[in-house]
Amino acid sequence: DTEVTQTPKHLVMGMTNKKSLKCEQHMGHRAMYWYKQKAKKPPELMFVYSYEKLSINESVPSRFSPECPNSSLLNLHLHALQPEDSALYLCASSQERGLGELFFGEGSRLTVL
Amino acid sequence: QQQVKQSPQSLIVQKGGISIINCAYENTAFDYFPWYQQFPGKGPALLIAIRPDVSEKKEGRFTISFNKSAKQFSLHIMDSQPGDSATYFCAASISNTGKLIFGQGTTLQVKP
Repeated sequence: DTEVTQTPKHLVMGMTNKKSLKCEQHMGHRAMYWYKQKAKKPPELMFVYSYEKLSINESVPSRFSPECPNSSLLNLHLHALQPEDSALYLCASSQERGLGELFFGEGSRLTVL
Repeated sequence: QQQVKQSPQSLIVQKGGISIINCAYENTAFDYFPWYQQFPGKGPALLIAIRPDVSEKKEGRFTISFNKSAKQFSLHIMDSQPGDSATYFCAASISNTGKLIFGQGTTLQVKP
């Protein structure tokens, strides 16, 4: 099983809503990542978890709150987002932080109204 | 110094032709250079990767050429097929940091 599964595939939310994006992998990977991708742009790193601990936060606004409940799951909690936060949010995993191939999910397309 | 510059931004190639995408970097600490392929509505997928101790790596129709002294690397797609039409990203990282720096991407269209 070489899949990273993300839910939901599409999400529309208002600026006052609270929602969460979920990511799951069963490859035994110990590093998980959140990336943000705007249309026709490369993915931009947001957060890196290594062994369920946050190891990198790329100065992401606090309205994005990551959580790693266990080694297979990664969540991104969203609150008070802005329309400019509309993007494709990609989850990825790798064997260890910075080691080996990054496996990406298909992403959650977020629209903030 | 953390940038990876990619060109061209877009590329149109006839079926059977060779597609060439180039990337350049400044940070000599980078030691891992992957290429990712992304289809519309999908996440990026690793295509091929190289480390700086090797000057060329080939996997099927895909070849990476790496020039350490020039700090450049390129992707060659031989016998390009319409199914290769996608966006290609080069990237670079320093092992164990977890930070992958992507180029700006190249949209490839292969015409039948």
